[in-house]
Amino acid sequence: NAGVTQTPKFQVLKTGQSMTLQCAQDMNHEYMSWYRQDPGMGLRLIHYSVGAGITDQGEVPNGYNVSRSTTEDFPLRLLSAAPSQTSVYFCASSYESSAGTNYGYTFGSGTRLTVV
Amino acid sequence: GENVEQHPSTLSVQEGDSAVIKCTYSDSASNYFPWYKQELGKGPQLIIDIRSNVGEKKDQRIAVTLNKTAKHFSLHITETQPEDSAVYFCAALFNNNDMRFGAGTRLTVKP
Repeated sequence: NAGVTQTPKFQVLKTGQSMTLQCAQDMNHEYMSWYRQDPGMGLRLIHYSVGAGITDQGEVPNGYNVSRSTTEDFPLRLLSAAPSQTSVYFCASSYESSAGTNYGYTFGSGTRLTVV
Repeated sequence: GENVEQHPSTLSVQEGDSAVIKCTYSDSASNYFPWYKQELGKGPQLIIDIRSNVGEKKDQRIAVTLNKTAKHFSLHITETQPEDSAVYFCAALFNNNDMRFGAGTRLTVKP
């Protein structure tokens, strides 16, 4: 049981490049989400998914795309990287009950992205 | 919009003392309030949580209190140890799918 696995751990991109941050969980969690962490700002929600085929925007979605084709995987795509997207990105998953109640999140270990 | 404010941003205590971190939230409909601990280079880890139908919850040296009327909740760590040193985040769940986090508190426990 690996929990939430994020790859890569580190990445440097040039402005305008695209890339995909990978996230996979093996806990059969329905809910998955992406956060970015910037100094002094806590974690801010980018996108989330309540199940395969369903995604929605969070607080800071601009410049990012997501898809959820399987329960296990929730990749985050940067279409055209900008220096403002330099951050640490965390993927999280959670069990969601049939009543729609979220339980505690399990976070991955993060991807540190630098855009130059 | 919905937000969570957390204080203090840094906290330094002597080993064995207690530490208290406070958070306020904006949406009175929020019903789930977790606390996370983040060690250097790692992802946040859930340490305790509380739902709106409970006023207090305790797990060994850690406790969380919730005042729904005032819209604030607090983390209490007693008998602090050096391994408690980390960044702590509070959070509140809005609209069942939007978890908002505070800006974090860097706790240092001096031996």
